[in-house]
Amino acid sequence: QVQLQESGPGLVKPSQTLSLTCTVSGGSISSGDYYWSWVRQPAGKGLEWIGRVYTSGSTNYNPSLKSRVTMSVDTSNNQFSLRLSSVTAADTAVYYCATERVSLSPRGHYFGYWGQGALVTVSS
Amino acid sequence: DIQMAQSPSSLSASVGDRVSVTCRASQSISSYFNWYQQKPGQAPKLLIHGVSNLQSGVPSRFSGTGSGTDFTLTISNLQPEDFATYFCQQTYSTPPTFGQGTRVEVK
Repeated sequence: QVQLQESGPGLVKPSQTLSLTCTVSGGSISSGDYYWSWVRQPAGKGLEWIGRVYTSGSTNYNPSLKSRVTMSVDTSNNQFSLRLSSVTAADTAVYYCATERVSLSPRGHYFGYWGQGALVTVSS
Repeated sequence: DIQMAQSPSSLSASVGDRVSVTCRASQSISSYFNWYQQKPGQAPKLLIHGVSNLQSGVPSRFSGTGSGTDFTLTISNLQPEDFATYFCQQTYSTPPTFGQGTRVEVK
């Protein structure tokens, strides 16, 4: 069973860059079984998909954040990462890494495994 | 982006009740529709994928129905561990989007 664990600073100053890493265990990030995604959730609010990175290194980002987001994959360490630049208080949230799986039978596309989440607070 | 309108935003129920949560997509999303359960301080947990397919280990009292734009999660015989927030999600197009959540509370 795949397990995910987020790590990174819990406090980031406004205008700086938020950086998080997700370490994958119980499976290889290179297996091709999943896409590797980030989702965030401000306190008491809903879920927002930030983007995904493929094993190849190609990416898709949420248009609402695209200008500030960079994702990458490190196959040698079985990790993938998120960088969000020019942060403001509105970026304060719990950040989750998750797997996306595309299934042919039954047909579907879902987020099956999630990390426990990392609270990132943007404050001076 | 495809908008997901979930209702109600909260509901009160008792153990043993049958409860339903609905979700409406702003356009047809075929079967690319999922339900998640989230408890306080925890990550979301996949309950149902592809409209009606129960994720492994999820009790059979959970069921999902729907097609096109309208979908329903039903919990029959509500159990104490089911009091939580439920989110719907579409993965038909990028970006995947979630409903705003339905909090199932103790009556």
